[in-house]
Amino acid sequence: GESVGLHLPTLSVQEGDNSIINCAYSNSASDYFIWYKQESGKGPQFIIDIRSNMDKRQGQRVTVLLNKTVKHLSLQIAATQPGDSAVYFCAEREGNQAGTALIFGKGTTLSVSS
Amino acid sequence: GAVVSQHPSRVICKSGTSVKIECRSLDFQATTMFWYRQFPKKSLMLMATSNEGSKATYEQGVEKDKFLINHASLTLSTLTVTSAHPEDSSFYICSASEGWSNQPQHFGDGTRLSIL
Repeated sequence: GESVGLHLPTLSVQEGDNSIINCAYSNSASDYFIWYKQESGKGPQFIIDIRSNMDKRQGQRVTVLLNKTVKHLSLQIAATQPGDSAVYFCAEREGNQAGTALIFGKGTTLSVSS
Repeated sequence: GAVVSQHPSRVICKSGTSVKIECRSLDFQATTMFWYRQFPKKSLMLMATSNEGSKATYEQGVEKDKFLINHASLTLSTLTVTSAHPEDSSFYICSASEGWSNQPQHFGDGTRLSIL
């Protein structure tokens, strides 16, 4: 199953399906965006990032799409695996300095059943 | 890759105790580190920005006298929860970025603080 459009707090998919996780960010001046994966009891783990001068970036099994017009970010996971089960957060930052804090969006809990 | 180590991973202590949490960048220098707090099933909330050699910048609503931050070196920042009470129980997470240009922040594995 896939979910497109509005942010959902939970998403359940079958192993092998493609997953789409959505995020609406708040600051129109943000120019750097990151997706993190957080497993239970651990800190967030970097997945993929994108700068505001791009609208799409691909990694291994993951793709991030950025729509600045509607301030929307999405993470696509291809061939979802049980190990992908976690909470996924988008984060935004204004400016390109490492000394600027990230602001996190609401998370989406992805559950993958085999 | 960039590694951030956080210690301890879990603390259980009595009300009124002060607790120190350490955040270290293991293989890079971090002029700036960040401290977040996370409640169960919630997102990460920025508490403060820790700058090496200067005072930390606290977010609105975060008590600087309750949450003392020290960033004495380019690889170590500490967060001390002073006179902790049950409402301070939470998951505290630190992060750091390497370099000055666009780089993702790397996070420690968090500290679960439980105040009895």
